[in-house]
Amino acid sequence: AQRVTQPEKLLSVFKGAPVELKCNYSYSGSPELFWYVQYSRQRLQLLLRHISRESIKGFTADLNKGETSFHLKKPFAQEEDSAMYYCALSPWGTDKLIFGTGTRLQVFP
Amino acid sequence: NAGVTQTPKFRVLKTGQSMTLLCAQDMNHEYMYWYRQDPGMGLRLIHYSVGEGTTAKGEVPDGYNVSRLKKQNFLLGLESAAPSQTSVYFCASRMNMNTEAFFGQGTRLTVV
Repeated sequence: AQRVTQPEKLLSVFKGAPVELKCNYSYSGSPELFWYVQYSRQRLQLLLRHISRESIKGFTADLNKGETSFHLKKPFAQEEDSAMYYCALSPWGTDKLIFGTGTRLQVFP
Repeated sequence: NAGVTQTPKFRVLKTGQSMTLLCAQDMNHEYMYWYRQDPGMGLRLIHYSVGEGTTAKGEVPDGYNVSRLKKQNFLLGLESAAPSQTSVYFCASRMNMNTEAFFGQGTRLTVV
């Protein structure tokens, strides 16, 4: 079965520290992978997609098919990055959009 | 643009009551989804639809029914509410499986 695993429920760092939010997926085909973010009192919104290979708000994510991972990274965390982050998988041919359990990022001043 | 709108925003139900949650999108999206969000469990897919008149089961469909009679609307029904269905419900829509999903603001449902 297709699955997304985010092993950390909470990640706390100080401002300026590097951040890595882990995401592993189980899927045998070519995945479409996304990172979504939910800031306090706001709607869930797309942060980035693996297919676009872009950096948004300083975040990047690289697809590693060998390790079936799509970790989200930022070299220097900011307080405004504090939010809930979800990794999501769109398995080809199923039309589903499957989310992980989410990681809450807290960035302290 | 309104985007994705969920109605109602809050609701308290008694066990055994029924209700319908409405999701409306004005982006002409084909795909629509209903999720529930529970602490520690993330977003779990209840049902989804890939076009008008179509529906399919997600990960946790039991106790829920859906309908997509019009392309812009996706209804989620609870026929006989149970306390285990206390949750925050999110609707989302997207054009196809490769594109960004847009979310509603959520509906907080409490079943007592």
